[in-house]
Amino acid sequence: EVQLVQSGAEVKKPGESLQISCKGSGYYFRSYWIAWVRQLPGKGLEWMGIIYPDDSDTRYSPSFQGQVTISADRAFSSVYLYLENLRASDTATYYCARQSGSYWTHFDFWGQGTPVTVSS
Amino acid sequence: EIVLTQSPGTLSLSPGERATLSCRASHTISTNHLAWYQQRPGQPPRLLIYDASITATGISGRFSGSGSGTEFTLTISSLEPEDFAVYFCQQYDDLRTFGQGTRVEIK
Repeated sequence: EVQLVQSGAEVKKPGESLQISCKGSGYYFRSYWIAWVRQLPGKGLEWMGIIYPDDSDTRYSPSFQGQVTISADRAFSSVYLYLENLRASDTATYYCARQSGSYWTHFDFWGQGTPVTVSS
Repeated sequence: EIVLTQSPGTLSLSPGERATLSCRASHTISTNHLAWYQQRPGQPPRLLIYDASITATGISGRFSGSGSGTEFTLTISSLEPEDFAVYFCQQYDDLRTFGQGTRVEIK
């Protein structure tokens, strides 16, 4: 069974940094692109970027380029989202999602989401 | 960047009615690289349709997708209570973007 399990909820102060993890299981982890998607409270979905764990080829949304870092660790079958200098506007739920096959395809499995609260 | 505009923002219908959701792209989406997802409160999105018209595994046949180019449609033939949720379209033709969502609520 394919599963993406994300790290737990986080509460941070403005200016702090944060790393969220997404661990894949039930499939050959390194051969499937994994994306990160942000959802602000009560709002829609925003695609942040995507990584291919086999060679760490990474693409970012222009809206998030330079603001976040996506990385992968094949040994741990995990992908990470790193955010620094957090602001209140980073308060959101962050999802990882697996692409079904090639680069030009849909998301077939999603993590459970990691709620992040940034507040002083 | 391809911008996706969904309409209407909210659709108020009764169980058993037909729902028609629209997704318009700012640029032509080639090879029908468009998907639809359903999101219920407190849950991650769930894939319904991919490549514009292919129903995902395990998804009820009352969900169907159609369209090409810049105009795409998700149809729910007869609404069940569990279908009242938010629906997003997403393109994977040029990077990735999502529409802003359509909420289907009980009338």
